Amino acid sequence: AQSVTQLDSQVPVFEEAPVELRCNYSSSVSVYLFWYVQYPNQGLQLLLKYLSGSTLVESINGFEAEFNKSQTSFHLRKPSVHISDTAEYFCAVSDVDSNYQLIWGAGTKLIIKP
Amino acid sequence: DAGITQSPRHKVTETGTPVTLRCHQTENHRYMYWYRQDPGHGLRLIHYSYGVKDTDKGEVSDGYSVSRSKTEDFLLTLESATSSQTSVYFCATIDRPNTGELFFGEGSRLTVL
Repeated sequence: AQSVTQLDSQVPVFEEAPVELRCNYSSSVSVYLFWYVQYPNQGLQLLLKYLSGSTLVESINGFEAEFNKSQTSFHLRKPSVHISDTAEYFCAVSDVDSNYQLIWGAGTKLIIKP
Repeated sequence: DAGITQSPRHKVTETGTPVTLRCHQTENHRYMYWYRQDPGHGLRLIHYSYGVKDTDKGEVSDGYSVSRSKTEDFLLTLESATSSQTSVYFCATIDRPNTGELFFGEGSRLTVL
């Protein structure tokens, strides 16, 4: 069965510094990959997704993620974080074999230090 | 954004009492989901629905039941609440699962004393 690992439960970083949030999944069969963001006291919302095509996907607020099939990874990066990026970030994977049910990582809290 | 409202947003109850959480959507999405969110566990699927009166179990369905009598409403019931069911519950909807884009409600925080 598919599983998703987010190794870092918290990532503290200074404002304007770069950040990488790591996500690895277990199966290399055809998968769809997602990053969701949860701001304090809110529900989750889709940040970006990989379904097919270019392995580098971007969000409208400067985040990007790269699908690496050989390493079964989908790490999230941003070159310069802002205080407004403070949130919890969840990686999720779905595949045809699971009827597209999303399998979720445990989440990574991004803590921006001024 | 899909219009998804959850009620109640906050509830405190006692062990052994029944609890019903309601999810209402205005987007006519076919699929609806109930998740619970606990620190260190991410989101865990409780039950989901793929149409009116069509529901199935998720990975943590024990102690929970659901009903969907209308497209727009998906109810989650705890027949006899336990302290282990203290959690934040999220409803989510999707029109086409192969897009992966779930739309979430703002959550219902349940405390079972």
